[in-house]
Amino acid sequence: GESVGLHLPTLSVQEGDNSIINCAYSNSASDYFIWYKQESGKGPQFIIDIRSNMDKRQGQRVTVLLNKTVKHLSLQIAATQPGDSAVYFCALTDKLIFGTGTRLQVFP
Amino acid sequence: GAGVSQSPSNKVTEKGKDVELRCDPISGHTALYWYRQSLGQGLEFLIYFQGNSAPDKSGLPSDRFSAERTGGSVSTLTIQRTQQEDSAVYLCASSLHITRTDTQYFGPGTRLTVL
Repeated sequence: GESVGLHLPTLSVQEGDNSIINCAYSNSASDYFIWYKQESGKGPQFIIDIRSNMDKRQGQRVTVLLNKTVKHLSLQIAATQPGDSAVYFCALTDKLIFGTGTRLQVFP
Repeated sequence: GAGVSQSPSNKVTEKGKDVELRCDPISGHTALYWYRQSLGQGLEFLIYFQGNSAPDKSGLPSDRFSAERTGGSVSTLTIQRTQQEDSAVYLCASSLHITRTDTQYFGPGTRLTVL
């Protein structure tokens, strides 16, 4: 069946370092991918999206890379800050499929 | 409103009781989604309302679950005869358009605990 998995349930980084969170998916027909950030006790918050006709998209301090050949999606956060601590998960939005998430912990 | 709101924020109920969860989407958003988030699990799609069309109920786990959306705005998710496995955070999201590629904005969720 369709699934979305994260490579690591938890990622610990030092403040100022770059973070990379990965996501693998099995559905090859998805056209639209989103990364969400979810802080404790809050709903998911949109970070950045990418469509299947792109392989890279950049935002403020964040970059999403899409490799359709190996069905892999990654989120890169530059100069990680304590406020970035949260659970991050990818979503195949048009298929309503969501990953389980990676908990990012940022240490001073 | 400024964002999607949900009520109550927390609900504790006894097994076998019925519960109603409410979602107020962003004003003007035509699409509304309900999801369930269990500990350690990804979001599980439950139901999707798109404009005036019949809702997509394909994600509802059993006939104990139902939802309605009145006047194209507020939605209520009802769980009848609650079971302990229904304990989870129930999230609502809305999007401006009715296509699934439109960005969904989530509410803070309702944490349901069934004793």
